[in-house]
Amino acid sequence: QMQLLQSGPELKKPGASVKVSCKASGFTFTNSAIQWVRQARGQRLEWMGWILVGSNHINYGQRFRERVTITGDMSTSTAYLELTSLRSEDTAVYYCAHGLGYFDPWGQGTLVTVSS
Amino acid sequence: DIQMTQSPSSLSASVGDRVTISCRASQPISKYLQWYQHKPGKAPKLLIYSASTLQSGVPPRFSGSGSGTDFTLTISSLQLEDSATYFCQQSYSNSITFGQGTRVEIK
Repeated sequence: QMQLLQSGPELKKPGASVKVSCKASGFTFTNSAIQWVRQARGQRLEWMGWILVGSNHINYGQRFRERVTITGDMSTSTAYLELTSLRSEDTAVYYCAHGLGYFDPWGQGTLVTVSS
Repeated sequence: DIQMTQSPSSLSASVGDRVTISCRASQPISKYLQWYQHKPGKAPKLLIYSASTLQSGVPPRFSGSGSGTDFTLTISSLQLEDSATYFCQQSYSNSITFGQGTRVEIK
């Protein structure tokens, strides 16, 4: 059964960085696409970027290009999202998801709270 | 970016009712349109991809239609477990975008 398991909630101060992990199981991680999407309270889902694991081809959303890094570790079947220079507006649930055009499955979500 | 607009934002219907949710793209996206179901505290679940293809394991009461700019998700006979937020997503452009969601409540 394909599954993505994300790391736990994070509380960060403004200006800090956060790194969220997404561990894959039940499918071949190499050559798969992992997406990152976030949802702030009351807002629509916002796509951040994706990585094609194995080739390391990466595509970032323009809004996040300067602050986000997406990586993949084939040895542990884990993808990572790192977001720097955090501000209060980055408080959101962050999701990883498998797939290029359509996303399935999704991780359970990681709440990142940015507060002083 | 391609803007995705859903309507209505929320609806309330009874068990057994036929429910339709619309999603409109700001420019033509062919059939690069997906529908998801999202329940609080859970991972979103893929229902329909490529506008009208039912994902494996999804009950056949869910169906999708449309192409170009106008799309519809239909639940033919609403069930209690269908209480959730439904959102559309376009994959036509390299910059993926989502609709704002439609909350479905059971009367």
